[in-house]
Amino acid sequence: AQSVAQPEDQVNVAEGNPLTVKCTYSVSGNPYLFWYVQYPNRGLQFLLKYITGDNLVKGSYGFEAEFNKSQTSFHLKKPSALVSDSALYFCAVRDRTGGNTPLVFGKGTRLSVIA
Amino acid sequence: EPEVTQTPSHQVTQMGQEVILRCVPISNHLYFYWYRQILGQKVEFLVSFYNNEISEKSEIFDDQFSVERPDGSNFTLKIRSTKLEDSAMYFCASRGDSSHSEQYFGPGTRLTVT
Repeated sequence: AQSVAQPEDQVNVAEGNPLTVKCTYSVSGNPYLFWYVQYPNRGLQFLLKYITGDNLVKGSYGFEAEFNKSQTSFHLKKPSALVSDSALYFCAVRDRTGGNTPLVFGKGTRLSVIA
Repeated sequence: EPEVTQTPSHQVTQMGQEVILRCVPISNHLYFYWYRQILGQKVEFLVSFYNNEISEKSEIFDDQFSVERPDGSNFTLKIRSTKLEDSAMYFCASRGDSSHSEQYFGPGTRLTVT
């Protein structure tokens, strides 16, 4: 069975500092990997995805994520955090074996960027 | 930019009543999904839908749940007889036909069962 672990419930970072939100996964094969962000009372917004190729993926709002196959990780990063980045972040995987397979989400990490 | 829309934004219903949650996916998308998020918990998959039939469903999606695409635009989730534990945020999502396409989520419907 697929599972996604986000080991931190909360990450606090000062504005302007780099941020990392961690994600590891346990799946068979090579899944597609995604990050979504959820602002209060809003739906999930797509940030970025890893399909294949370069392990460093760049996405929206200056976010990037690094795929590490040996560690089965897909950590979300940003070089310089903004207060407006404060939100709930979800890592998700999707089986690439075909069909209409769903996303499997981690439990989410709340990012708080302090001015 | 095209987006997934959902109505209503908030639905309050009494236990045992039927509710229908509505979604309008992005127009050229062919794959549709319902997820739910109980307050403070993670997003859980309910059902996926393609070519007018269910592709996959989770164990949450029991006989009380059904989905339908009644016309070319709407995608609905019906809960036949709501229970208190059905209270959650329900998200609709759709994606394009590439196997690695990302899913686009609607803003959600907050269902409160009293």
